Amino acid sequence: GALVYQYPRRTICKSGTSMRMECQAVGFQATSVAWYRQSPQKTFELIALSTVNSAIKYEQNFTQEKFPISHPNLSFSSMTVLNAYLEDRGLYLCGAGDRGRDAEQFFGPGTRLTVL
Amino acid sequence: GDSVTQTEGPVTVSESESLIINCTYSATSIAYPNLFWYVRYPGEGLQLLLKVITAGQKGSSRGFEATYNKETTSFHLQKASVQESDSAVYYCALGEPASSGSWQLIFGSGTQLTVMP
Repeated sequence: GALVYQYPRRTICKSGTSMRMECQAVGFQATSVAWYRQSPQKTFELIALSTVNSAIKYEQNFTQEKFPISHPNLSFSSMTVLNAYLEDRGLYLCGAGDRGRDAEQFFGPGTRLTVL
Repeated sequence: GDSVTQTEGPVTVSESESLIINCTYSATSIAYPNLFWYVRYPGEGLQLLLKVITAGQKGSSRGFEATYNKETTSFHLQKASVQESDSAVYYCALGEPASSGSWQLIFGSGTQLTVMP
């Protein structure tokens, strides 16, 4: 079956520092990887959508300068939160999909970021 | 932009009662989006409950059902008799093509369901 792992599950960083999170897809080809953030009391906001062999598309209010993403192959992606501040805290989800199928995405358990 | 609106929680029902969580969508970029219900049980990750990619079709899983209604742009989630183990947060989502050729999901705000024994 299709599985998605995320590392770390929880992390704490000091305000102004950066942290990197990873997403690993197993059992299918992750031709697309979407990164979402769920802030407290909010739904999942799409940060960016990365498709292999295509440019990474960032949503409004999110930039590559703040959330650089790497998607080097069909099973792995990483995202860094640079210069994290209190408003960056929340649950970061990785949703991986196979472009040849429908819009279904398989999700990892998320990385919960706390900023002190 | 496209959007999804669902029943605001929290919703509390007693075991064996029926349940409906409303979901309506607005899709301007695609005539027939894919529609999904995802669920997040306590302490677990987001997982697919059911999906329907063809208008007029019904999806079902674990006793839950949802029908893709193009006329009313709705995808309400229903269950005839809930169990305590159904307590979770339920998310309605719309899938639409992205400019890269892949797909992206737009989520509703989530509905916290608590089933009382």
